[in-house]
Amino acid sequence: GEDVEQSLFLSVREGDSSVINCTYTDSSSTYLYWYKQEPGAGLQLLTYIFSNMDMKQDQRLTVLLNKKDKHLSLRIADTQTGDSAIYFCAEAPMEYGNKLVFGAGTILRVKS
Amino acid sequence: DTGVSQNPRHKITKRGQNVTFRCDPISEHNRLYWYRQTLGQGPEFLTYFQNEAQLEKSRLLSDRFSAERPKGSFSTLEIQRTEQGDSAMYLCASSLVAGGMGNQPQHFGDGTRLSIL
Repeated sequence: GEDVEQSLFLSVREGDSSVINCTYTDSSSTYLYWYKQEPGAGLQLLTYIFSNMDMKQDQRLTVLLNKKDKHLSLRIADTQTGDSAIYFCAEAPMEYGNKLVFGAGTILRVKS
Repeated sequence: DTGVSQNPRHKITKRGQNVTFRCDPISEHNRLYWYRQTLGQGPEFLTYFQNEAQLEKSRLLSDRFSAERPKGSFSTLEIQRTEQGDSAMYLCASSLVAGGMGNQPQHFGDGTRLSIL
């Protein structure tokens, strides 16, 4: 079955690192994604990782993938107030036409 | 702006009315997806097109919902006889699927927020 789970809320201080965690179920997913949603807006693609990779770094963002445990994390270095948003993890199971299956989202609040 | 464009941004209507939303994907993208997002949840898949062909429909898509992509470019999503439970954000996404490139990431529009009175 398809199920993506995330913690609901994370609060950090400006300048600290944030780590958002996600577990997924479908090992056939070729890619795993992180999207960001600000209030009243659509989803902004932040980064994605190919399933045969363990880690991907993109400026302040680091994605770690543990395929054995089906665990994905997003680390944001030097978190800024502008990073406050909802972060969604998504998998794209091969057998479902690569539609995205999303978690419920993690609300990140950055305190100045 | 060459991103995914959705219109209208907001739609308020009375229960029982019909509504139609439009999505213009990124121009070179051959796949177009519709998702629905309710408050506090992640988006849920509704349907997708490859060019003009509708290839999959979720069981969330009742017979009151219909989607088209007549020329393989823009798409419309129509909801007939709207109900309170249809209130949600309707998101459109597009991507490019091409041999040798694999599936590229989906890019989303800003959505249409539907409120049923």
